[in-house]
Amino acid sequence: GQQVMQIPQYQHVQEGEDFTTYCNSSTTLSNIQWYKQRPGGHPVFLIQLVKSGEVKKQKRLTFQFGEAKKNSSLHITATQTTDVGTYFCAGRGGGSQGNLIFGKGTKLSVKP
Amino acid sequence: EAQVTQNPRYLITVTGKKLTVTCSQNMNHEYMSWYRQDPGLGLRQIYYSMNVEVTDKGDVPEGYKVSRKEKRNFPLILESPSPNQTSLYFCASSSTGGHYYEQYFGPGTRLTVT
Repeated sequence: GQQVMQIPQYQHVQEGEDFTTYCNSSTTLSNIQWYKQRPGGHPVFLIQLVKSGEVKKQKRLTFQFGEAKKNSSLHITATQTTDVGTYFCAGRGGGSQGNLIFGKGTKLSVKP
Repeated sequence: EAQVTQNPRYLITVTGKKLTVTCSQNMNHEYMSWYRQDPGLGLRQIYYSMNVEVTDKGDVPEGYKVSRKEKRNFPLILESPSPNQTSLYFCASSSTGGHYYEQYFGPGTRLTVT
């Protein structure tokens, strides 16, 4: 079945350093979403990418969707302590549009 | 306030005792879904519903049932819970316009089956 691999599993950075997490799908995705989950909280939607090669920015966050629509990345510039949490990608494949496959997440810790 | 609510938030039960976790949304969303979250495994989809009376299996449906009789409610039923169903459960909803936009998640239900 469809799988979404996400790396790294953990990332520890010094405040001010950059951070990137990557997702790779075994199949072509119709779209990909990114979520952030703070410790003890629930996932919160960040963004959705739909088009091949799409790049979207939200302040210090940059999201990319690969040309083949099989990979995606989230890059945070100059991390802050408020960026702490687990970042998940979630993809929809060519099958049922209701079936959403999450990556296992990247847990980010930021040392002040 | 737009929200997804889940009840109970915490539940400790014994093997084999049927239980229901309720989920309700006030955003008139067509799509609703249940996930379980386990350490190291991320979020895995249990069941989802595209609209009233339309449900489908996700990746880990074994041992669970759902129903969607009303648009706002999507209960998760464990007919005979087992210890391997100990987990953190999230309900989510979204509209189905365009390419199915952002999911709104409930606060989660932490279930322990002994």
